[in-house]
Amino acid sequence: DVKVTQSSRYLVKRTGEKVFLECVQDMDHENMFWYRQDPGLGLRLIYFSYDVKMKEKGDIPEGYSVSREKKERFSLILESASTNQTSMYLCASRTFSPSTDTQYFGPGTRLTVL
Amino acid sequence: DQQVKQNSPSLSVQEGRISILNCDYTNSMFDYFLWYKKYPAEGPTFLISISSIKDKNEDGRFTVFLNKSAKHLSLHIVPSQPGDSAVYFCAATIGGGADGLTFGKGTHLIIQP
Repeated sequence: DVKVTQSSRYLVKRTGEKVFLECVQDMDHENMFWYRQDPGLGLRLIYFSYDVKMKEKGDIPEGYSVSREKKERFSLILESASTNQTSMYLCASRTFSPSTDTQYFGPGTRLTVL
Repeated sequence: DQQVKQNSPSLSVQEGRISILNCDYTNSMFDYFLWYKKYPAEGPTFLISISSIKDKNEDGRFTVFLNKSAKHLSLHIVPSQPGDSAVYFCAATIGGGADGLTFGKGTHLIIQP
């Protein structure tokens, strides 16, 4: 079974703080992703990485950065947290073959910025 | 512009009946489609997927139908059970690429006893 873990389930931070969200997968997947989920907006892609030290912007990268120093770990960084970054953050890891292409998600981190 | 649309924010179905969740897409490059189920405060769980070379894929109580000409897919759950109450997300991707999934906004399925 694919296992994707996230460092915190719930996090409360203050405006202006630097926030690190960690994600680890144990299946040696090359592709990893960060999404945020907001009511009425579904899941939106923030950043993704297709290999160590490689990163690509998703649909809503503003206010975020990422780090992929090791294959199993993909970190999302909020350089200066703002209240509009209060959200559920979801990390995913991707497996694909000629016949399948599936992303597996971690349990999510509910971040509240005060 | 929303490339994956789930036009029903919520759906209520009686236990034992069929639940049909719908999804439309606009990007003709999408060739792989997935359905995820999500409970509150948990990550989405992969349910079932379909490649554009097929028009139907079945896994137990779950069947996904794809109509490429209409750019429409649907998820059928038969019979519906109380544990099926959750938010269902339709997602699409260009298979083989490294890009993320494009999700719809979700449909909240409520199974009534």
